[in-house]
Amino acid sequence: GENVEQHPSTLSVQEGDSAVIKCTYSDSASNYFPWYKQELGKRPQLIIDIRSNVGEKKDQRIAVTLNKTAKHFSLHITETQPEDSAVYFCAPTLGTNQFYFGTGTSLTVIP
Amino acid sequence: ETGVTQTPRHLVMGMTNKKSLKCEQHLGHNAMYWYKQSAKKPLELMFVYNFKEQTENNSVPSRFSPECPNSSHLFLHLHTLQPEDSALYLCASSQVQGRNTEAFFGQGTRLTVV
Repeated sequence: GENVEQHPSTLSVQEGDSAVIKCTYSDSASNYFPWYKQELGKRPQLIIDIRSNVGEKKDQRIAVTLNKTAKHFSLHITETQPEDSAVYFCAPTLGTNQFYFGTGTSLTVIP
Repeated sequence: ETGVTQTPRHLVMGMTNKKSLKCEQHLGHNAMYWYKQSAKKPLELMFVYNFKEQTENNSVPSRFSPECPNSSHLFLHLHTLQPEDSALYLCASSQVQGRNTEAFFGQGTRLTVV
């Protein structure tokens, strides 16, 4: 399967600051790049995704950027709020629907 | 009830027991998955079923046995587990229609092997 790495593994930011999480993957055939958020005690849920024909996508305070040449994509959260505190997972996916998740990034937003 | 539901939510079993985890999706999806989530290896893919056919077995020990009787139901049969198998087991589903789409997760079964 896909080798997926996320950096950093933990991240603490002050409320209102920005947070960036990077995901690197191994298979250049990957064509779907989602980010999931898992709050404590809850299930993972999709927050944003991008396909390989697009370089950037925004949805209010979150955005995802894709660099297919370098095989990485990043999650950007601006104006962070305490409710953004969670574990974030990337899951770059090949043409099949086998979702291999990254190791996760624990984000803490300090009020 | 909508979405993906898993039962039981919590399970404690001895190493010699046999138990089953159940997952049901009400989203009309045609692919279902089992994941293991532990502190050491978060969200580890175990099994994938597309249209009731198993398409992925990610080197999972034989003490875990999946069953997919139809595209809405997925089971994970457990027997002679080890303490290191204690983890959160998550079921997910998605729609396969020529391109990848979102995976919807259940709330998971918290398994403790004693």
